[in-house]
Amino acid sequence: ETGVTQSPTHLIKTRGQQVTLRCSSQSGHNTVSWYQQALGQGPQFIFQYYREEENGRGNFPPRFSGLQFPNYSSELNVNALELDDSALYLCASSLWDRANEQYFGPGTRLTVT
Amino acid sequence: AQSVTQLGSHVSVSEGALVLLRCNYSSSVPPYLFWYVQYPNQGLQLLLKYTSAATLVKGINGFEAEFKKSETSFHLTKPSAHMSDAAEYFCAVSLNNNDMRFGAGTRLTVKP
Repeated sequence: ETGVTQSPTHLIKTRGQQVTLRCSSQSGHNTVSWYQQALGQGPQFIFQYYREEENGRGNFPPRFSGLQFPNYSSELNVNALELDDSALYLCASSLWDRANEQYFGPGTRLTVT
Repeated sequence: AQSVTQLGSHVSVSEGALVLLRCNYSSSVPPYLFWYVQYPNQGLQLLLKYTSAATLVKGINGFEAEFKKSETSFHLTKPSAHMSDAAEYFCAVSLNNNDMRFGAGTRLTVKP
């Protein structure tokens, strides 16, 4: 059984640029959630994807968007990067009917300069 | 909206001592409650969860937590700390399938 994987591990971008982060869900999991974890803080829910559609969103602006693919993998896209977007981005996968039991990937560390 | 508050951003115990990490929740309806652990440069690992069954929940690595509705608490305990328990611990609450709210975290240090 393969766990949740994320790529890249680290990323450095400049303010105003766009970034795409990728997540492969655990085998058999059909639901993917994304979180932003700023330094010294707990993760904050960005959004969740199920059946290739957004299913719930936290308090994040529209420049944060996502995709889910037929194989349940997912992307997080952030446009017009701001310095405050620097954080660890975590992906978590689950089964839809057990979405509270989430399995997290190692995260992507994004630094915006 | 639901939320959790973790009391103490940093807890330090001696190896073999009791570990107690505090979490209080706020929710208008019975919540699901969770404890996660995060080791450096890693994602979060689920330690245990409360889903309205038994109020005393046993998790992995010898941890357990007790749901106390009257105190709106879900404190995490372990009778005897091990060096490998040093990590960041997060309490989380969820009312539905897609909005999990995390606390700010408690860093546990274990002294030899």
